[in-house]
Amino acid sequence: IAGITQAPTSQILAAGRRMTLRCTQDMRHNAMYWYRQDLGLGLRLIHYSNTAGTTGKGEVPDGYSVSRANTDDFPLTLASAVPSQTSVYFCASSPGTSSGANVLTFGAGSRLTVL
Amino acid sequence: GQNIDQPTEMTATEGAIVQINCTYQTSGFNGLFWYQQHAGEAPTFLSYNVLDGLEEKGRFSSFLSRSKGYSYLLLKELQMKDSASYLCAVSDSNYQLIWGAGTKLIIKP
Repeated sequence: IAGITQAPTSQILAAGRRMTLRCTQDMRHNAMYWYRQDLGLGLRLIHYSNTAGTTGKGEVPDGYSVSRANTDDFPLTLASAVPSQTSVYFCASSPGTSSGANVLTFGAGSRLTVL
Repeated sequence: GQNIDQPTEMTATEGAIVQINCTYQTSGFNGLFWYQQHAGEAPTFLSYNVLDGLEEKGRFSSFLSRSKGYSYLLLKELQMKDSASYLCAVSDSNYQLIWGAGTKLIIKP
C-alpha cells in the first residue's frame, strides 16, 4: 500500500538518551517534512527536505537533526532527549514544493514520551 | 508575525450544517488548505483554495476571500463520523505551510 511508514509507533525514553524516528515513503515524493503536534498548538515544522540530498530548518529545529540520503527515507534524530520533546511526531511528504503540489500525505505518527 | 486563527471547539447536531471559520495573516499567500484529523490519527487532505470563491466537494465546501484573509469550511448533512479536528493551513510566500491549532468538531445525535 502506497504511503508513509513511521516507526516506532510509540516510545518512552529516558532524558539524555539518543533516539531516531524513522520515516519511509514509497510515493517517490520529492519533499519530506517532520512536524510535532502538541495539544492546543498547530503543527510545527521541525525540519524539511525539498529533495534528496538537501535539508532545511523549520520553526522548531533545536535539539533535532535530519538527513536525506535518498528519496524514500527521512529519519529524525534527537541527540539528547529532554522532557519538552514529549510530543506526537508526524512525518509527511508532498510531490513538490510549489503551491499546487503542496498537498501533504502524513504518516500515522510516533508518540514520544521523554521522562 | 504569521498567524492563523480558528475556533478551538464547535458542537453541532447530526444531519445539520456547520461552518468552521479560519482567518489568517501571513507573509505572502500561495493557497489555503483544510485537513481533517480524527483523534489519534494523522491529518488527511480535504480541500485547497487559491482563488476567491467556493469549492464544493460532496458534503464539504471551502470558501476563500483573499482580500479579507478569511476562509471557511462548510460541512453539510453532518454524520457522526465527521467528529474530528479540522486544521486550516496557509502556504506562505516561501511555500511553507503555516498551521492553525485546529477546530475540534463534536457531533451530537
